[in-house]
Amino acid sequence: GQNIDQPTEMTATEGAIVQINCTYQTSGFNGLFWYQQHAGEAPTFLSYNVLDGLEEKGRFSSFLSRSKGYSYLLLKELQMKDSASYLCAVCDSNYQLIWGAGTKLIIKP
Amino acid sequence: IAGITQAPTSQILAAGRRMTLRCTQDMRHNAMYWYRQDLGLGLRLIHYSNTAGTTGKGEVPDGYSVSRANTDDFPLTLASAVPSQTSVYFCASSLAGDSTDTQYFGPGTRLTVL
Repeated sequence: GQNIDQPTEMTATEGAIVQINCTYQTSGFNGLFWYQQHAGEAPTFLSYNVLDGLEEKGRFSSFLSRSKGYSYLLLKELQMKDSASYLCAVCDSNYQLIWGAGTKLIIKP
Repeated sequence: IAGITQAPTSQILAAGRRMTLRCTQDMRHNAMYWYRQDLGLGLRLIHYSNTAGTTGKGEVPDGYSVSRANTDDFPLTLASAVPSQTSVYFCASSLAGDSTDTQYFGPGTRLTVL
C-alpha cells in the first residue's frame, strides 16, 4: 500500500531551527509537496520538489532524496506565526496526491 | 470573489438528510477537488474533476456525488447523510489536472451529522 509518514507533533523554540521529516512509500513518484495549515484554516502551498536536492525559499527550505523515499522541511529563525501543521503530500504514478496526516509544530517563546 | 469560496462555513445535519456543499472558484482553473480531513488522518480525496463536464472518483467516494456543469462551480452532495460523514470538507482547485500543479484550497466546511 501507499504510505506517508510524518511525526505527529514537534515542539521548538522561537528563533531556533526545526526539521520536519517525511518518508514515503508510493507507487511511483511525480513530486512531493509541503503545505502549511494553521488551525481552523485551509492548507496553503509551501514547496514542491521533483528532483533530488535542497530548495531554499526564504526561511523555509525543502529537501528531497528519491532513492531514500525521504524529504524534510527546514524552518529557520522560527516565529510564533510558524505554529501550524505541516502536511507532506506525494504525487504518485497515477498523478494522485497521497497526503500524510501532518505534523503539528508548536513554537514556544 | 477572490480565489476559492465554500458555503456553508459550518452545518449541523440530521442523519438521513440530503446536503449540498458549494464550491466556487474565479481563477479559471481547470481542475477541482473535494477532500475530507479527519483528525489523525491525511486529507482524503472524495471526487475530482479535471475539466468542466468530467468528474472522477477519489479514495473515498461512497455516499457522495459531484457535478461540474461549468468551470467555476463544483458542488458536493451527500444524498443521505450518516454520522461517519462528520468531517471538515475542503474544496481545492489547480490550473492543471495532473496533481503536479499547486492546489489552492477553500476555507472549508465543518459538517456535523447527528
